[in-house]
Amino acid sequence: DVKVTQSSRYLVKRTGEKVFLECVQDMDHENMFWYRQDPGLGLRLIYFSYDVKMKEKGDIPEGYSVSREKKERFSLILESASTNQTSMYLCASSFPGSNQPQHFGDGTRLSIL
Amino acid sequence: AQRVTQPEKLLSVFKGAPVELKCNYSYSGSPELFWYVQYSRQRLQLLLRHISRESIKGFTADLNKGETSFHLKKPFAQEEDSAMYYCALRTTDSWGKLQFGAGTQVVVTP
Repeated sequence: DVKVTQSSRYLVKRTGEKVFLECVQDMDHENMFWYRQDPGLGLRLIYFSYDVKMKEKGDIPEGYSVSREKKERFSLILESASTNQTSMYLCASSFPGSNQPQHFGDGTRLSIL
Repeated sequence: AQRVTQPEKLLSVFKGAPVELKCNYSYSGSPELFWYVQYSRQRLQLLLRHISRESIKGFTADLNKGETSFHLKKPFAQEEDSAMYYCALRTTDSWGKLQFGAGTQVVVTP
């Protein structure tokens, strides 16, 4: 069974802090994704990665960066946290082929005070 | 640009009644469509995909390319179907990225 693990379920930080969200998958997936989930907006893609050290911007990359130094780990970084980044963050991973589903972690509920 | 529209934010149905969640997409190529579900306090998980043409937990969805729709249906709703449902589109040139709709909250009342 695919396991996507996000390091924290709940996180509270202050504005201006640098915040790291970690995600690890155990299925040797090439693709990894970071989304934020907001009521009424669904899931919006922040960044994704299709290989180690490779990254591509999603639909809402502003204020975020990512790091993928190892295949199994994909980190999301909020360079200087702001209150409008308070949200639920979801990590996902998948194989690259057609019709490959994405597998999601439990999510990290991040509050920026 | 690709887009997925789920027009209903909330669907409230009685147990045993039919339920249909609407999903429309815009994409000029050959799409891959998925339905994901998130039960209370659980992670988002795949419910079904159009390529499989299968029924999962009594749900079915048919891809209608003419109407660019992928509606999710179940003839008899159960209380355990209460959840948030997301329709998602994957395009062939998207590196596996998914475009999600805004989601539909389904509440099944006894």
